[in-house]
Amino acid sequence: GAGVSQSPRYKVAKRGQDVALRCDPISGHVSLFWYQQALGQGPEFLTYFQNEAQLDKSGLPSDRFFAERPEGSVSTLKIQRTQQEDSAVYLCASSTWTSGGRETQYFGPGTRLLVL
Amino acid sequence: EDQVTQSPEALRLQEGESSSLNCSYTVSGLRGLFWYRQDPGKGPEFLFTLYSAGEEKEKERLKATLTKKESFLHITAPKPEDSATYLCAVQAERGGADGLTFGKGTHLIIQP
Repeated sequence: GAGVSQSPRYKVAKRGQDVALRCDPISGHVSLFWYQQALGQGPEFLTYFQNEAQLDKSGLPSDRFFAERPEGSVSTLKIQRTQQEDSAVYLCASSTWTSGGRETQYFGPGTRLLVL
Repeated sequence: EDQVTQSPEALRLQEGESSSLNCSYTVSGLRGLFWYRQDPGKGPEFLFTLYSAGEEKEKERLKATLTKKESFLHITAPKPEDSATYLCAVQAERGGADGLTFGKGTHLIIQP
């Protein structure tokens, strides 16, 4: 079946612009995660949704970052007043949810954001 | 705070030359340890999950093992198509953080 999809794949923004990144999870996946990956580094956790509820946003680096998943499916990560340090690849992952906690996160291809 | 350290940072092997990648971790109760493969310009691709010390999993030329402090990814007789960055990640027990904590990865190059 279809995997996780993200759009756009590439985004160039001028410093101070707002951007919105979209994630379409695997159909039926309850959990959705956002990660930020800087060049040469591993992904870093940003935020987690279970259905439409945002259960963990401890990784969001500042109040300029905002994520939503209003209908429990598609999610949008919004970055306001972008700064050069926001340049990175933004990865979305989704998984099922089980009471045993043994779920695998499947990743999308990422959105590469460059802030000039 | 959960931490993952991978070594070496980079590894260059000849085709057919077996080796191991290391992942050392500290976590407040391990729910799972994950190995992913990442090709340039792509998202991480799932390889294995290990849940308890002593567990082993295999897939083609790859074998992952787990102890209470570290995991190894063994690569047997690698081929050039195994060239990629290999990422290790841990997930804390339910009720802790559901997000994964990743290491920086090992960049593996297999020369023909």
